[in-house]
Amino acid sequence: AQTVTQSQPEMSVQEAETVTLSCTYDTSESNYYLFWYKQPPSRQMILVIRQEAYKQQNATENRFSVNFQKAAKSFSLKISDSQLGDTAMYFCAFWGMRFGAGTRLTVKP
Amino acid sequence: NAGVMQNPRHLVRRRGQEARLRCSPMKGHSHVYWYRQLPEEGLKFMVYLQKENIIDESGMPKERFSAEFPKEGPSILRIQQVVRGDSAAYFCASSPSPSGANVLTFGAGSRLTVL
Repeated sequence: AQTVTQSQPEMSVQEAETVTLSCTYDTSESNYYLFWYKQPPSRQMILVIRQEAYKQQNATENRFSVNFQKAAKSFSLKISDSQLGDTAMYFCAFWGMRFGAGTRLTVKP
Repeated sequence: NAGVMQNPRHLVRRRGQEARLRCSPMKGHSHVYWYRQLPEEGLKFMVYLQKENIIDESGMPKERFSAEFPKEGPSILRIQQVVRGDSAAYFCASSPSPSGANVLTFGAGSRLTVL
């Protein structure tokens, strides 16, 4: 069974700084997709970024980028130039269906 | 395009009553997923349905919980004889195809409180 582990229950960062959220997973599959979703206080789940395991290049979406290490089964999310609106729960997901426990990120002014 | 619609947004039930949560997927989406989120916890997969079929119910408790996605109408998650431990937010998501590559579109969730 696939498992997704987020080892940082809570993190905080100063506005404009950079923060990295960790995610590891376990699978025997060779090709798959990984996702990061955010859940702001409104509780609406929003896609942040998606990575296909087959692709070597790390996905990037504006201030959000991933560090995908397939051999290590690691999929971390880097948020650059953090903004107050980035305050949310962040969930790592495998194939879009299996979610980690989440990391609560607080951006401080 | 209204997105994924869930109702009710808030539901209060007494122990032993039944709870029915409804989910209308995004237009053009025929695949529905239900998740449960306990307070301060992550999303736990419950069930994945296609029209008139349950594809994966590996996360669904064996008793008291059932789900359906009829040919016409919304998907329904039904919880019989609710207990306090069922208090949670229940999220529905939809996708246009079964591919795990799809980005899921989530509803706003239904918060169930069991008194």
